[in-house]
Amino acid sequence: DAKTTQPNSMESNEEEPVHLPCNHSTISGTDYIHWYRQLPSQGPEYVIHGLTSNVNNRMASLAIAEDRKSSTLILHRATLRDAAVYYCILRDGNNYGQNFVFGPGTRLSVLP
Amino acid sequence: DSGVTQTPKHLITATGQRVTLRCSPRSGDLSVYWYQQSLDQGLQFLIQYYNGEERAKGNILERFSAQQFPDLHSELNLSSLELGDSALYFCASSVGQLQGATEAFFGQGTRLTVV
Repeated sequence: DAKTTQPNSMESNEEEPVHLPCNHSTISGTDYIHWYRQLPSQGPEYVIHGLTSNVNNRMASLAIAEDRKSSTLILHRATLRDAAVYYCILRDGNNYGQNFVFGPGTRLSVLP
Repeated sequence: DSGVTQTPKHLITATGQRVTLRCSPRSGDLSVYWYQQSLDQGLQFLIQYYNGEERAKGNILERFSAQQFPDLHSELNLSSLELGDSALYFCASSVGQLQGATEAFFGQGTRLTVV
């Protein structure tokens, strides 16, 4: 799997937008960019994924750079419940037998 | 609720023993992944199965084994348990086609405590 780089930790105030960056300079043309998060004592939870275009869903938005070497997960209004570890992962769209490797992620703290 | 069911939720056992963790994937998902997460550690990929066949192997110890059955549920067997095997064990599933294009869903984990 191609490697991603994320800041170890970030802090945000409640009800403010949060931009979580991810660098993936060695991304290939068939790699999808996935984001997952893990709340304390819970299993990881899917957030969003995309290939080339920006994506929006009820949880977040994903902004993908034009060269695809970086992306940003955007939480539009952070809540205390968004405090979690956020993982940016690349997954090959052409590989059936692919494993699914997590890095250390970014620990997001949300301040009231 | 992710649709992925893991049992049991908690397990306490003694060193040297053997345990089996069970995972039922979401309906229609052909791939199952197993992960280990020790206290304050990251998620370590152990093994992946796709439609009954092993497809990828990570940092899985020889004392550990897994299989995926015809009904697509999976079991992770941990034997000769050591104190260091105490961890959360997560299972995830995803559909089989074009895996990078589809999301994976995780269960709530089995917390194993070896005493």
